[in-house]
Amino acid sequence: EPEVTQTPSHQVTQMGQEVILRCVPISNHLYFYWYRQILGQKVEFLVSFYNNEISEKSEIFDDQFSVERPDGSNFTLKIRSTKLEDSAMYFCASSARAAFTDTQYFGPGTRLTVL
Amino acid sequence: AQSVTQPDIHITVSEGASLELRCNYSYGATPYLFWYVQSPGQGLQLLLKYFSGDTLVQGIKGFEAEFKRSQSSFNLRKPSVHWSDAAEYFCAVGHNAGNMLTFGGGTRLMVKP
Repeated sequence: EPEVTQTPSHQVTQMGQEVILRCVPISNHLYFYWYRQILGQKVEFLVSFYNNEISEKSEIFDDQFSVERPDGSNFTLKIRSTKLEDSAMYFCASSARAAFTDTQYFGPGTRLTVL
Repeated sequence: AQSVTQPDIHITVSEGASLELRCNYSYGATPYLFWYVQSPGQGLQLLLKYFSGDTLVQGIKGFEAEFKRSQSSFNLRKPSVHWSDAAEYFCAVGHNAGNMLTFGGGTRLMVKP
């Protein structure tokens, strides 16, 4: 069964450093997402991406964050200058169509630790 | 603003017992509701979803959920729990804007032998 994959599974970085989290969505899916979950808190929406542009973003997704689909398979989340409060589990998801009723398939997550 | 509340942070049930996980939502329009499960080291897996029609929906792994508009609830049920059901369960509401999901805080289920 196709699945969303994410790399790395765990990333440790120093405050102020740039990080890039990578995701490979399910092939032929058109809509891509990033969510995060700070330890002990809810899963929160960050951004959705469709047709090579951001469709929607939350308040969390400020200028420090960016997303890109650099080739036909990868979908990345970049944090330019990490802060301690960016420590969280980051989940990538994809859905087949641009319909909010469509199932989002989630990856296993990348745990980001900012020291 | 839309929100989802899962009142129970932890629940422990005996294997073979029935299960009900509570979910309450606040949403201005017709809600589109989902239940996801997360096992350790795994991503979020969709159990079931409700958009319209029959208010009792069946999902994978023997789970079902009932939408009750009058109570703003979408509780998840299973008649007989298996040890492999131990996981964290998330209720979510979907939005037209950007296809985003708003999640509840999750309920961690533990299953006693």
